[in-house]
Amino acid sequence: QSVLTQPPSASGTPGQRVTISCSGSSSNIGNNIVNWYQQLPRTAPKLLIYGSNQRPSGVPDRFSGSKSGSSASLAISGLQSEDEADYYCAAWDDSLSGLVFGTGTKVTV
Amino acid sequence: QVQLQESGPGLVKPSETLSLTCTVSSGSVSSSDFYWTWIRQPPGKGLEWIGYIHYSGSTSYNPSLKSRVTVSLDTSKNQFSLKLSSVIAADTAVYFCSRGGGWYGSDAFDIWGQGTVVTVSS
Repeated sequence: QSVLTQPPSASGTPGQRVTISCSGSSSNIGNNIVNWYQQLPRTAPKLLIYGSNQRPSGVPDRFSGSKSGSSASLAISGLQSEDEADYYCAAWDDSLSGLVFGTGTKVTV
Repeated sequence: QVQLQESGPGLVKPSETLSLTCTVSSGSVSSSDFYWTWIRQPPGKGLEWIGYIHYSGSTSYNPSLKSRVTVSLDTSKNQFSLKLSSVIAADTAVYFCSRGGGWYGSDAFDIWGQGTVVTVSS
């Protein structure tokens, strides 16, 4: 059972903005950075956001991350059909002494 | 471009030990910048961090798997490995090897293998 909670699904039409939440606690998101991953169908995950709000080179600026307190969010603006994927947040948990992933959100365009 | 490739048996019997190897190409497991990591994904479910090893030999494991997991490094072959003992059906998953650390931080995994399916069944 994951300690980071995400909505199971989110959807939008092309061009819209979609936001995915990731809710945690003081032992994980509240005290550590958050990373986000995109997993296209039948492929390995891809690092989308690191350090809570930084994009690796090659990731479009349509993707943005933020963190406030014990929660984090991923926003996708100008939604495109190729954004249809599963999205996971992840953070280190000090109480568990381990990395935890969010429950995952399936985005449908 | 660094690449990772998992290898190992696709079928393991219950109570036996699952053994997988990840071969690193165009990069070195001897770099002090990186944490060599295993992550798994049961069918239709989310991602689960298994653990990692650093070149220094330090390891960190998921507390829920710690008693059954060993991650090791073979610098001569530029590989790292996963052993999971006493497997049960719930260990059936796609197993990914990945690279953490470097520019993006120790917990950010920027390079992934394609994943290998392991089924636990008699």
